[in-house]
Amino acid sequence: GAGVSQSPRYKVAKRGQDVALRCDPISGHVSLFWYQQALGQGPEFLTYFQNEAQLDKSGLPSDRFFAERPEGSVSTLKIQRTQQEDSAVYLCASSLGGRNNSPLHFGNGTRLTVT
Amino acid sequence: DAKTTQPPSMDCAEGRAANLPCNHSTISGNEYVYWYRQIHSQGPQYIIHGLKNNETNEMASLIITEDRKSSTLILPHATLRDTAVYYCIVRAPSGYSTLTFGKGTMLLVSP
Repeated sequence: GAGVSQSPRYKVAKRGQDVALRCDPISGHVSLFWYQQALGQGPEFLTYFQNEAQLDKSGLPSDRFFAERPEGSVSTLKIQRTQQEDSAVYLCASSLGGRNNSPLHFGNGTRLTVT
Repeated sequence: DAKTTQPPSMDCAEGRAANLPCNHSTISGNEYVYWYRQIHSQGPQYIIHGLKNNETNEMASLIITEDRKSSTLILPHATLRDTAVYYCIVRAPSGYSTLTFGKGTMLLVSP
């Protein structure tokens, strides 16, 4: 079946521009996660949704970062007034959620380069 | 979440078994051990997870020590396509809990 899909695959933005990154999770997956991965590092948690509710946004690095999942399916990560330090790969993952210990399934990410 | 310790890099000859160790001495009784790998330019790929018992699937085997303080991921017949960074992660039991990635082990499989 289809996995987690992210678009665009690559994004180049000039410093100060706003960007929007899209995630299509696996159908029926309740939980959705966003991660940021800097070059040579492991992914770092940004935020978590259960259906449409954003239950944890403790990893968002600043108030320029905003995520939404209005209908409990597709999610968008928005970064306002991009800075060079925002350059990274942004990964989305989804899981069944619930009480079972269901694994997270990741997309291939969006590589953001801020010039 | 408990922290994990992995060697930064390992080498393996193609066709041989790759045994990747992980220490998680502060793991709690209800936390799971998860393994993911990340091939260059791709997202992390789920491999396997377990609680107490050894687990096996089509990709790998997971051996967890009786005291649960360490585990080993076994790739029985490594191929060049298994070259990747392997992450060992301890995760709280809820399906809503996130994953905390460390630096992982860079496994290089050579011909």
